[in-house]
Amino acid sequence: GENVEQHPSTLSVQEGDSAVIKCTYSDSASNYFPWYKQELGKGPQLIIDIRSNVGEKKDQRIAVTLNKTAKHFSLHITETQPEDSAVYFCAAITNAGKSTFGDGTTLTVKP
Amino acid sequence: NAGVTQTPKFQVLKTGQSMTLQCAQDMNHEYMSWYRQDPGMGLRLIHYSVGAGITDQGEVPNGYNVSRSTTEDFPLRLLSAAPSQTSVYFCASSELGTPSSYEQYFGPGTRLTVT
Repeated sequence: GENVEQHPSTLSVQEGDSAVIKCTYSDSASNYFPWYKQELGKGPQLIIDIRSNVGEKKDQRIAVTLNKTAKHFSLHITETQPEDSAVYFCAAITNAGKSTFGDGTTLTVKP
Repeated sequence: NAGVTQTPKFQVLKTGQSMTLQCAQDMNHEYMSWYRQDPGMGLRLIHYSVGAGITDQGEVPNGYNVSRSTTEDFPLRLLSAAPSQTSVYFCASSELGTPSSYEQYFGPGTRLTVT
């Protein structure tokens, strides 16, 4: 079945630094790659997504890149703030709507 | 819009008991899904539905049943609860088949403990 590997599992950065989280997927039928932020006790919330026909997408301090040939996609957060501290999940979704999530990255931004 | 709602928020079951986790959405979304989240792990897909009357299995379907008789509701049934089903359960919905589709909206979760 589909497998999504996410690294690192934990990431600690100083406020103002950048954070990068990487994911690799296995199912070539995946064509939609969202990133979610999950705060304690809440459901995941979409922060940015990218489709298979696009290589890069940016939204203020957050960017996502996709290398479909290598089956890699990455989340970049610049100028990190303490409120960015949360668990971040990547996912790969097929045309049929089947979602596979990575195991998550716990990001801690130290003031 | 209330978005995606789930009930109950918390539930404790004894091994062997059955129960239904409720999920409803008021966004007229075609696609609905159930996930479980275990500590330190990502969300694993249990079952999903691309429309009323259509359901399919995800990654971890054993021990769970679903049905989709209406667009709005997608209940998850545990037939005979086991301690291995202790987890947090999330329901999600999204449009499907439109250019802006696939964004999934998640409910607040149900924390289930099986003793």
